[in-house]
Amino acid sequence: GAVVSQHPSWVICKSGTSVKIECRSLDFQATTMFWYRQFPKQSLMLMATSNEGSKATYEQGVEKDKFLINHASLTLSTLTVTSAHPEDSSFYICSAKYRGLAEAFFGQGTRLTVV
Amino acid sequence: KQEVTQIPAALSVPEGENLVLNCSFTDSAIYNLQWFRQDPGKGLTSLLLIQSSQREQTSGRLNASLDKSSGRSTLYIAASQPGDSATYLCAATGAGSYQLTFGKGTKLSVIP
Repeated sequence: GAVVSQHPSWVICKSGTSVKIECRSLDFQATTMFWYRQFPKQSLMLMATSNEGSKATYEQGVEKDKFLINHASLTLSTLTVTSAHPEDSSFYICSAKYRGLAEAFFGQGTRLTVV
Repeated sequence: KQEVTQIPAALSVPEGENLVLNCSFTDSAIYNLQWFRQDPGKGLTSLLLIQSSQREQTSGRLNASLDKSSGRSTLYIAASQPGDSATYLCAATGAGSYQLTFGKGTKLSVIP
């Protein structure tokens, strides 16, 4: 299957700093990328959907100024958590989809811990 | 708004048993339904994808069925092994939006 690479796999940062997470589709062009967040013992919750070259669409309750998403190319999307706080500590996962495929492929996830 | 429910939340079985995991969804207007495996602290591994026009998919010891009219899907695991221990998530892809709505998962433990 198609490969989606997410980096870093884990990160610890100080409260108030910003963290950037990268999501790359390695062997296909991702026309759409999705960002999810998963709190302990909870399911994955969609944060936003981004289509290449256009602004991301955020789900209700997700602050677009805090979670900056850039999908500048067909193989790369980034999520920047700005002014991170301890409550932002979570597991963040991206998935990528190509227009002609039924399946979305997932990255390995990033464990963010804000101290 | 789509809601996906998985029952049971946790399941413990002895090695070798056959088992069934259940998934239900409220909106039948789905593009497909996927089953994933998630190991602790890890990402998702796609197991099976069933298109909305299909009834089931099989891969090795895994068989997934889909009944859109009743809003249900099941994942059948034959001859379970300790290596099958993980959390299993089902996700419904919305028709048109391609957004996945996940259930909370079933945590499976296979006891040697």
